[in-house]
Amino acid sequence: LAKTTQPISMDSYEGQEVNITCSHNNIATNDYITWYQQFPSQGPRFIIQGYKTKVTNEVASLFIPADRKSSTLSLPRVSLSDTAVYYCLVGDYYNTDKLIFGTGTRLQVFP
Amino acid sequence: DAGVTQSPTHLIKTRGQQVTLRCSPKSGHDTVSWYQQALGQGPQFIFQYYEEEERQRGNFPDRFSGHQFPNYSSELNVNALLLGDSALYLCASSLAKRPNQPQHFGDGTRLSIL
Repeated sequence: LAKTTQPISMDSYEGQEVNITCSHNNIATNDYITWYQQFPSQGPRFIIQGYKTKVTNEVASLFIPADRKSSTLSLPRVSLSDTAVYYCLVGDYYNTDKLIFGTGTRLQVFP
Repeated sequence: DAGVTQSPTHLIKTRGQQVTLRCSPKSGHDTVSWYQQALGQGPQFIFQYYEEEERQRGNFPDRFSGHQFPNYSSELNVNALLLGDSALYLCASSLAKRPNQPQHFGDGTRLSIL
């Protein structure tokens, strides 16, 4: 499974757009990219998933360049409730495989 | 539609004891994975169960064992508890025939070892 690298922490203010970039240089052809959000004392929550180009849902966008060696999670107009740890993972599209989490990015949103 | 439920939510044990944690998967899911999350770290994969058998295992000693029941629920057992076993234990469920769908996590059991 491809290893991922992401910033340890980020700060933002309410109403701003936050972009968290994840590096996955060794991503394989069958790998897809998934982002999870985790609040203290809760389990990770699925945010968004993609394979290439751009994916958008009601909470976030995921940008994946053509070489797929990185991806960027974009959170529009963050609020205090977006303060959490965000994990980037890559996994085989065809296998319900174990998930390999890094230490994630701790996002702190200030008023 | 109930999501993944885990019990108990908190548990305190002493060194050397044994513990059993329980997980009910999201309705319709048939695969259960267990993770250990130490404070300040990302979750670490322990093992995965499908069709009542252990399908994959992470780098955890044999003190960690599990079981899956015919109704897809699962248990995690830890023997001879060590102080280092203090962590949040997470259960995640998924559907084997939809491998590209994200795993759904419960809110975990907080295990404290004294």
